[in-house]
Amino acid sequence: DVKVTQSSRYLVKRTGEKVFLECVQDMDHENMFWYRQDPGLGLRLIYFSYDVKMKEKGDIPEGYSVSREKKERFSLILESASTNQTSMYLCASSKRGGLLLETQYFGPGTRLLVL
Amino acid sequence: AQSVTQPDIHITVSEGASLELRCNYSYGATPYLFWYVQSPGQGLQLLLKYFSGDTLVQGIKGFEAEFKRSQSSFNLRKPSVHWSDAAEYFCAVGSTDSWGKFQFGAGTQVVVTP
Repeated sequence: DVKVTQSSRYLVKRTGEKVFLECVQDMDHENMFWYRQDPGLGLRLIYFSYDVKMKEKGDIPEGYSVSREKKERFSLILESASTNQTSMYLCASSKRGGLLLETQYFGPGTRLLVL
Repeated sequence: AQSVTQPDIHITVSEGASLELRCNYSYGATPYLFWYVQSPGQGLQLLLKYFSGDTLVQGIKGFEAEFKRSQSSFNLRKPSVHWSDAAEYFCAVGSTDSWGKFQFGAGTQVVVTP
């Protein structure tokens, strides 16, 4: 089975802090994604990566950056956390299929509270 | 741009009754459609997916969904719900020209009453 793990289930940070969210997948997937989930808004894509050191902006990249130095690991960085970044963050991965579209597998999520 | 609409934010259903969750999409080409479920405190789990072929697809946990191109819909159904089906359900659409990205609907919260 595919396993996607996220470094923390819950995080509490203060405004202005630098925050790192880590995601690791064990299935050699090429694609990795970071979403945030807010009530009534569903999942919104922040960034994604289709290969090591490659990254693409999603729908809401402002205030975030990412890093992918190894294939299995994709980090989301909040350079200076703000209260409006309080949310549930979900990481996902998928393999790069012949049609560039494969099922995404999700981690359990990190609930971040910024005070 | 592709988009997904789940018209029902919240649905309450009695245990043993049937369930139907609506999903409408907007996309010019053939969409690739997914239903995910999120139980409380959990990540998203894939229920089923439609890429091509038979328009009625079977998934896990007794769920099925029907793709109707003429109505741009991909509704999820279950004939008899169990208390464990209480969760949030998300419809998603992807396309082959989007580098594997999905567009998710806002979700439908399902409450199951005894």
